[in-house]
Order: sequence, then structure tokens, then C-alpha cells
Amino acid sequence: QKEVEQDPGPLSVPEGAIVSLNCTYSNSAFQYFMWYRQYSRKGPELLMYTYSSGNKEDGRFTAQVDKSSKYISLFIRDSQPSDSATYLCAMSAVRLGRGSTLGRLYFGRGTQLTVWP
Amino acid sequence: DGGITQSPKYLFRKEGQNVTLSCEQNLNHDAMYWYRQDPGQGLRLIYYSQIVNDFQKGDIAEGYSVSREKKESFPLTVTSAQKNPTAFYLCASSMGSGVTSTDTQYFGPGTRLTVL
Repeated sequence: QKEVEQDPGPLSVPEGAIVSLNCTYSNSAFQYFMWYRQYSRKGPELLMYTYSSGNKEDGRFTAQVDKSSKYISLFIRDSQPSDSATYLCAMSAVRLGRGSTLGRLYFGRGTQLTVWP
Repeated sequence: DGGITQSPKYLFRKEGQNVTLSCEQNLNHDAMYWYRQDPGQGLRLIYYSQIVNDFQKGDIAEGYSVSREKKESFPLTVTSAQKNPTAFYLCASSMGSGVTSTDTQYFGPGTRLTVL
């Protein structure tokens, strides 16, 4: 079983729809959770970052973490064609110091999203 | 203008040749990483370095080598021993200072390597 599972899609929605992207994970030590957006043939860019459980909102984007279920979500409200990209979830464990899990991120496979006008 | 640069953007290599991919950052980050991305496979960690003159193997280090002689530079060499090197290669960096770092990684624009 992979550390992080993410449905690769593809996901296709009309403009204005609410999009829900999800990841599950198996390692209960994960504490830091991130969502990256990657446009075609570009490097990923950090979209959202959350620590431990809870919600975080930034404009049209909301990140949710449910550590009891080992489940994280990214919601996009009022989706736009410019949101069309691949969305990657990533997570890391509590920092235990140099030589252990320091700096190590575990990525999902990414979900390809298309928002059509 | 801070950030991470990778060069070249596109690279073509003949079988049996070694090639070196460049990664430079001016973010004053301690930690740097190399990933490989294949279609539908997400990011796989090749090597990472938490400090100058030190680096660790990731999940798929075979056929690759790195060096970290300067804080801002982390070149990746794809050797002829790498069986299937055609892929999109991404370099990243993070603060990794051991004080307030969140392990958040920032990525370069990538290098697309094609073996002919």
C-alpha cells in the first residue's frame, strides 16, 4: 500500500462548479499537509498548507484535514477554466531531526482537473 | 527575484551518455531535493540534501548521482546505468533549518529529459 493515495481522475467540471479533491494516507505520523497545483509542463506551486486537523480557507480554496480518518480534501468554489491543472497532495511527519524524516514529503499521484467554460 | 532555476528546460541524450541537470536556488534554503515525474505516477524522490556536502538517497536513486558543494546548487547526473531515464525532472528546496521549517517545498520549472 502506498503511503498516500489519490484518485488520478481525470475530473471534468463546468465553470462555476464546486470541485472536491481528496487524498487518503496510512501513516498516522503525518502532521503537515499541503496541496500543490501543477500546470502542464511546469513545476508544482504550493497552493495550500495546513498543520494537523482542521480547515483552512484562502479565497476560493478550502483545505480540510481529518486526521482521525486519515483523509484530506481540497475544495474549489466557483471553479474557473484557469483552475485546470493537476492537483497534488503532499504530507510529512513530525520533524524528528536530521537523518530521519526531516524534509521528506510524500506525494499523491495527482488529480487532473479540467474546468470547461 | 528569488526562486529556483533549472536548466536546460529540454534535454536530449543518446543512450550510454551521462548528462547533468542543473538546479540553483537563491532562497537561502538549506535543503534541496530531486524528483522524477512520469505520467500518472506522481513525484518520486531521487536524492535529497539537508546541508552542504551531505546528501541521502531517496526511493529511486539507482542510476543517479548528485553533489552538494554549495548551498545554492544541487546538480543531478543521470548516468548510463539508469535504465529508463526519459522523464520530467523536478528540483525543489525548503528551509530545513531545524528551527521553524514546515518542510514546505518550493519547486523549479523542471527539465524534460528524452533519451533517443
